[in-house]
Amino acid sequence: AQKVTQAQTEISVVEKEDVTLDCVYETRDTTYYLFWYKQPPSGELVFLIRRNSFDEQNEISGRYSWNFQKSTSSFNFTITASQVVDSAVYFCALTTSRYSSASKIIFGSGTRLSIRP
Amino acid sequence: GAGVSQSPSNKVTEKGKDVELRCDPISGHTALYWYRQSLGQGLEFLIYFQGNSAPDKSGLPSDRFSAERTGGSVSTLTIQRTQQEDSAVYLCASSPRAWGDWAGELFFGEGSRLTVL
Repeated sequence: AQKVTQAQTEISVVEKEDVTLDCVYETRDTTYYLFWYKQPPSGELVFLIRRNSFDEQNEISGRYSWNFQKSTSSFNFTITASQVVDSAVYFCALTTSRYSSASKIIFGSGTRLSIRP
Repeated sequence: GAGVSQSPSNKVTEKGKDVELRCDPISGHTALYWYRQSLGQGLEFLIYFQGNSAPDKSGLPSDRFSAERTGGSVSTLTIQRTQQEDSAVYLCASSPRAWGDWAGELFFGEGSRLTVL
């Protein structure tokens, strides 16, 4: 069975602080993909990143960085120097990989991030 | 537009009525997903399609829920004899094949907000 846990329901920080959103996953598959999505107040989910199970390199994109650790089954997301525009609900997601067809993608319960000016 | 289109954007219905929610995926995307998001909650997987086939219907909450996809394009989610607990935002997403496998990113529509009185 697959499972994604985002234990932090809500986080509130002051602008310019760094913040890390946690994601812990469970799967029996050796090949899988992890994702992060952002849902701003406007409502439409936006893709942020995809990472496969064979690539444990950390990734940085501007103020965003992701730390994938298979040893702890975690795929954490850090925002550096947070800004008010980062306020949103952030979802972590997991899917197994199938060459011949798509497969189920499950989401965590989300972390609501509020950045205070 | 070129994005995922869902209709209606808002639907208010009386308990016991049937409703149909429509999703037009991005052209060329063969994978299509339905999720449900209750107020302030995470994304609950309902069903996904690979072409016109639904390999995994495990997320459908009850036999009142059904979905179909025709022509590898438009999908309809039908809820029969609606109940108040069906009130939620129903999200559709489509996904392309990417990087030689099917674990591509999801492109979400704006959702259909269903209110059952």
